[in-house]
Amino acid sequence: GQSLEQPSEVTAVEGAIVQINCTYQTSGFYGLSWYQQHDGGAPTFLSYNALDGLEETGRFSSFLSRSDSYGYLLLQELQMKDSASYFCAPCRISGGYNKLIFGAGTRLAVHP
Amino acid sequence: NAGVTQTPKFRVLKTGQSMTLLCAQDMNHEYMYWYRQDPGMGLRLIHYSVGEGTTAKGEVPDGYNVSRLKKQNFLLGLESAAPSQTSVYFCASTIAPPYEQYFGPGTRLTVT
Repeated sequence: GQSLEQPSEVTAVEGAIVQINCTYQTSGFYGLSWYQQHDGGAPTFLSYNALDGLEETGRFSSFLSRSDSYGYLLLQELQMKDSASYFCAPCRISGGYNKLIFGAGTRLAVHP
Repeated sequence: NAGVTQTPKFRVLKTGQSMTLLCAQDMNHEYMYWYRQDPGMGLRLIHYSVGEGTTAKGEVPDGYNVSRLKKQNFLLGLESAAPSQTSVYFCASTIAPPYEQYFGPGTRLTVT
């Protein structure tokens, strides 16, 4: 079967570092994406990990371990505008095509 | 470039009414998707298309139909709306999975 777990809520203070973990179980796993969604807004792409290891994009980094079916998103130098929901989205091959699986997401609240 | 646009932005339907949601993209993307997002939940794939003239079922296709007559447009139809279809509907497109999906602003649909 398929499963996807990430914490429902995380709280942090401005300037801090926060890590959002994601564990998944899915057949046909292809890679792991992360999306950000502000309240009332549309999801926007943050990163994609096809291979094991760390991908860095500015203040955000994403990590993947295929052998552990685990990944995380690391947000550094937190800003108030980082308050949003973050979705890990495993990409799986099904019916010959790649599809994203979105979990319920992690709601990050950044406080002064 | 407008990116991905959706019309309408808001709609209220009575049970049993029908409607069509329009998604348009100007990025020449082959792949297009329709998702629904319910409160506190992630995105669930309704239908998708891998190119003009093609459509396929996603995770929650019942009660919906789609058409992709032109590459830039992807239509989602509700033939007989039900209160369970009250949701926010997002359209997305990508040049090729598993790469970045670009999302439209969403359509907020209420069925009474």
